[in-house]
Amino acid sequence: GQQLNQSPQSMFIQEGEDVSMNCTSSSIFNTWLWYKQDPGEGPVLLIALYKAGELTSNGRLTAQFGITRKDSFLNISASIPSDVGIYFCAGLAYGGATNKLIFGTGTLLAVQP
Amino acid sequence: AAGVIQSPRHLIKEKRETATLKCYPIPRHDTVYWYQQGPGQDPQFLISFYEKMQSDKGSIPDRFSAQQFSDYHSELNMSSLELGDSALYFCASRVGGQRNSPLHFGNGTRLTVT
Repeated sequence: GQQLNQSPQSMFIQEGEDVSMNCTSSSIFNTWLWYKQDPGEGPVLLIALYKAGELTSNGRLTAQFGITRKDSFLNISASIPSDVGIYFCAGLAYGGATNKLIFGTGTLLAVQP
Repeated sequence: AAGVIQSPRHLIKEKRETATLKCYPIPRHDTVYWYQQGPGQDPQFLISFYEKMQSDKGSIPDRFSAQQFSDYHSELNMSSLELGDSALYFCASRVGGQRNSPLHFGNGTRLTVT
């Protein structure tokens, strides 16, 4: 089945540092999504990417949809303590009207003030 | 803006009991997805519905069933509960068939089976 490999598994950084994480897949996806999840809460959508090569920003967050449609990265600039959480990439595969969403393995981000 | 609503927020059941989880999608969203997330795991796809019909099926046990109703809300029914069913259960919704419609998730139901 489809799998998304996300790296790094965890990151421990100082406040103010920049962060980069990425996802790769053996399959092509039509859409890449990046979510942040706090403990016990649902994943919150950060950025959605719909076209190969697309580069999109949302405040301090920037994400790109790889040109091969098999990878994506997320950058966070000037990290702050509230950036702490688990970040998931997710690929949306077209299979009829519903489009199954496959999650990456997640990156745990810890930010030290 | 309205979000995906899930109920209950927490549920405690004993082994072999049944449980029903409810999901109310964002207004005008016609597609609903159910995911199961164990501790320290990424969410695993269970099942999805589009326009009240099941369309995709993932790793959902035969003991579980789900449906989408005419008002687009969905219910996940879980029978003969096992300890291993303890997890967070998320529902997500989107506009099916619309390319630029990402999935939005609810805050989940935490099921504990004792």
